Amino acid sequence: AQKITQTQPGMFVQEKEAVTLDCTYDTSDPSYGLFWYKQPSSGEMIFLIYQGSYDQQNATEGRYSLNFQKARKSANLVISASQLGDSAMYFCAMREDSEYGNKLVFGAGTILRVKS
Amino acid sequence: DSGVTQTPKHLITATGQRVTLRCSPRSGDLSVYWYQQSLDQGLQFLIQYYNGEERAKGNILERFSAQQFPDLHSELNLSSLELGDSALYFCASSVLGTGVSPLHFGNGTRLTVT
Repeated sequence: AQKITQTQPGMFVQEKEAVTLDCTYDTSDPSYGLFWYKQPSSGEMIFLIYQGSYDQQNATEGRYSLNFQKARKSANLVISASQLGDSAMYFCAMREDSEYGNKLVFGAGTILRVKS
Repeated sequence: DSGVTQTPKHLITATGQRVTLRCSPRSGDLSVYWYQQSLDQGLQFLIQYYNGEERAKGNILERFSAQQFPDLHSELNLSSLELGDSALYFCASSVLGTGVSPLHFGNGTRLTVT
């Protein structure tokens, strides 16, 4: 069963504007973490932001914020004031807490292109 | 810089051969994860080690094996290589073997099988 769904294969945004990348997840575990990673064309995986299932407030890290709607099981990434360097693939991922190990499960990713 | 070191960065080899990918986790991290990224399969979890012991297994082929050594570095061994094994292989690490803290990824090893 698909646990992480990213419905936008590709997105365009104008430089300096905000953009929202969608992510929905599926889990029955009450304890889990949601993550966003950025993968530029050079290939490395860069950790951006984290939201715990018990966190009361939405996570923010600089220009990145996570719009966490627990009842809807969504964890959208909002990038404010887009920059050309934000052009990359973005992955949403979930980590469930398990006694015997807890892998990170990734969505298919969204390619973001920032236009000047 | 995530603090996770993977070597080599690139590897080109022929079908049927065997290669070893190496990973040094971030200082203080006890858990190591291996992932495979290919165009058709996306990011696939292979295997996890915690303090030298295997903790979880994913879609890892029998031709592949891994281990984590006492100094916590890990190696992923790929044997009888096929064209379809060409992919970007990532190592990631975290402090704990459980919990929901972030994984920090290395820059990956790009394997090309010809």
